[in-house]
Amino acid sequence: DAGVIQSPRHEVTEMGQEVTLRCKPISGHDYLFWYRQTMMRGLELLIYFNNNVPIDDSGMPEDRFSAKMPNASFSTLKIQPSEPRDSAVYFCASRDSPVNEQFFGPGTRLTVL
Amino acid sequence: TQLLEQSPQFLSIQEGENLTVYCNSSSVFSSLQWYRQEPGEGPVLLVTVVTGGEVKKLKRLTFQFGDARKDSSLHITAAQPGDTGLYLCAGGRDQKVTFGIGTKLQVIP
Repeated sequence: DAGVIQSPRHEVTEMGQEVTLRCKPISGHDYLFWYRQTMMRGLELLIYFNNNVPIDDSGMPEDRFSAKMPNASFSTLKIQPSEPRDSAVYFCASRDSPVNEQFFGPGTRLTVL
Repeated sequence: TQLLEQSPQFLSIQEGENLTVYCNSSSVFSSLQWYRQEPGEGPVLLVTVVTGGEVKKLKRLTFQFGDARKDSSLHITAAQPGDTGLYLCAGGRDQKVTFGIGTKLQVIP
């Protein structure tokens, strides 16, 4: 298995633009997590899904952020409109049970100018 | 305010030295994990501890979970340049994992 796949790896955009980050979890994993990492706040959980259903989105910072998981092999995190303070590395992770190891993707480095 | 406090935040040592990094919380966790993250990559799990007082060893790395399941330590013996990276602790509760900010370790050859 190729592991968790994220795209794009780097995204530079201007304030006000829509940004869509993509994630393909490991096949067979039924939990998917979206995290944001910054120097100041570390790694923060934004939202997680179980069997494609959003379970907890309490970490989503504002209504500008939305996440979907239309099927077991694909998820998106959308920011509309983007702001400079959204600049961070966004990680997707998946796991196959409530207690097992999370496997992280390589991340998307987002820069909003 | 971070739920999990890690210390020190930065550590630079010479190859061959020993070191200990700490992870502390006022909350009880059902499990505690340690990850290592290298630049440009996602975190990779090193170990999970679930029982208060538990000690696990992974080659030169020794992990301990506090008796009250609120704190943990990671001890590295004879550090090597390959140990360089960001060490993150993460507390598990209710199917979610909360991360500390991490300890950035640099091992100088």
